[in-house]
Amino acid sequence: NAGVTQTPKFQVLKTGQSMTLQCAQDMNHNSMYWYRQDPGMGLRLIYYSASEGTTDKGEVPNGYNVSRLNKREFSLRLESAAPSQTSVYFCASSEQGNSPLHFGNGTRLTVT
Amino acid sequence: GDSVTQMEGPVTLSEEAFLTINCTYTATGYPSLFWYVQYPGEGLQLLLKATKADDKGSNKGFEATYRKETTSFHLEKGSVQVSDSAVYFCALTRNSGNTPLVFGKGTRLSVIA
Repeated sequence: NAGVTQTPKFQVLKTGQSMTLQCAQDMNHNSMYWYRQDPGMGLRLIYYSASEGTTDKGEVPNGYNVSRLNKREFSLRLESAAPSQTSVYFCASSEQGNSPLHFGNGTRLTVT
Repeated sequence: GDSVTQMEGPVTLSEEAFLTINCTYTATGYPSLFWYVQYPGEGLQLLLKATKADDKGSNKGFEATYRKETTSFHLEKGSVQVSDSAVYFCALTRNSGNTPLVFGKGTRLSVIA
């Protein structure tokens, strides 16, 4: 009954360091998403993958890359972290693009 | 483009008070509408949804009616509890194609005993 699992839960990076946020879902969903949540800004879509083998930019893709490794897994990579990327990152999945989303519990990232 | 506007928070209510959180939208066509709730330290969870005009979504005592004439989907609850303290997000998606949800900025609700 895991749903959407994100790792790590917390991370602190120095400016310029790189890291990958991992996300896996066990609901056989086709679509997966990465959002960031900042105070007063709500949720903003970074990238999404409508189906295995496809990825598309969302509202705020700059500074990020994604990989849809297989149907279950969708990772988000920061190649050179910046303080502006300090945020809480949420992965989500859905049966298809216009179905309700299932969210993970988030990764809290701080870039110093 | 499509957008969702929610009332700004925070909203502070006493237990058993009536809750309304306003949500209006701009979209082409006939979107589906959703309310999500985020409890502290957790991800968002679907609270309720409506897929066509005049539909009423309901769950856990919360209700929202899809009003096409006013492009609104206001969230209501007749008697809030302390456990309802959370951030509430209104969202929409088009019913055709693989278009991701568009979220409002969220409204924080605090219920005090």
